[in-house]
Amino acid sequence: DSGVTQTPKHLITATGQRVTLRCSPRSGDLSVYWYQQSLDQGLQFLIQYYNGEERAKGNILERFSAQQFPDLHSELNLSSLELGDSALYFCASSALNGGGTEAFFGQGTRLTVV
Amino acid sequence: AQSVTQLGSHVSVSEGALVLLRCNYSSSVPPYLFWYVQYPNQGLQLLLKYTTGATLVKGINGFEAEFKKSETSFHLTKPSAHMSDAAEYFCAVRGSNDYKLSFGAGTTVTVRA
Repeated sequence: DSGVTQTPKHLITATGQRVTLRCSPRSGDLSVYWYQQSLDQGLQFLIQYYNGEERAKGNILERFSAQQFPDLHSELNLSSLELGDSALYFCASSALNGGGTEAFFGQGTRLTVV
Repeated sequence: AQSVTQLGSHVSVSEGALVLLRCNYSSSVPPYLFWYVQYPNQGLQLLLKYTTGATLVKGINGFEAEFKKSETSFHLTKPSAHMSDAAEYFCAVRGSNDYKLSFGAGTTVTVRA
């Protein structure tokens, strides 16, 4: 158990809908990262927050947004969903901001868009 | 920017044989290097990491990796494969001035009895 909790574990929704994925980082970790894992794109970095502030942005679509709350949990919002958004979405957390600090990953949320 | 290339998307080994997974990185600054393992329907688990110091790094489950700056490589090895090593393995890099981890495409390991 990495200590990173993601909910829900599975999500099935229709095209055009909006969903929210939730992540609780390890106790004390200030950094939260979101990754998307799909068969064709592999593991793609989406976005990082550090202590409530956005720190880095990767290949995140404009239809997607995220935030980190004062209690450090984070949410990833995906809207106007398309079939191609079906993927495994991982949240990871780390104590510090980058560098040699390893990131601990949650079990992921598997999103299926039908 | 940093990037990682994993050579071989699939490796098949016999139980008891050497496991060798290749990873080459590209980085304009001193890199931090990581190997993660993903078992089916699981998240990613850290096997080992290189930050500074000793270039031979030992990790969990008998894995080790050697950082070779001259070859820009960070290959993962295990002397004797077990059936439980069947999984997907990811090499990742982060620059010293970077926040995100950049992952390779992954290598799936199959262990034959």
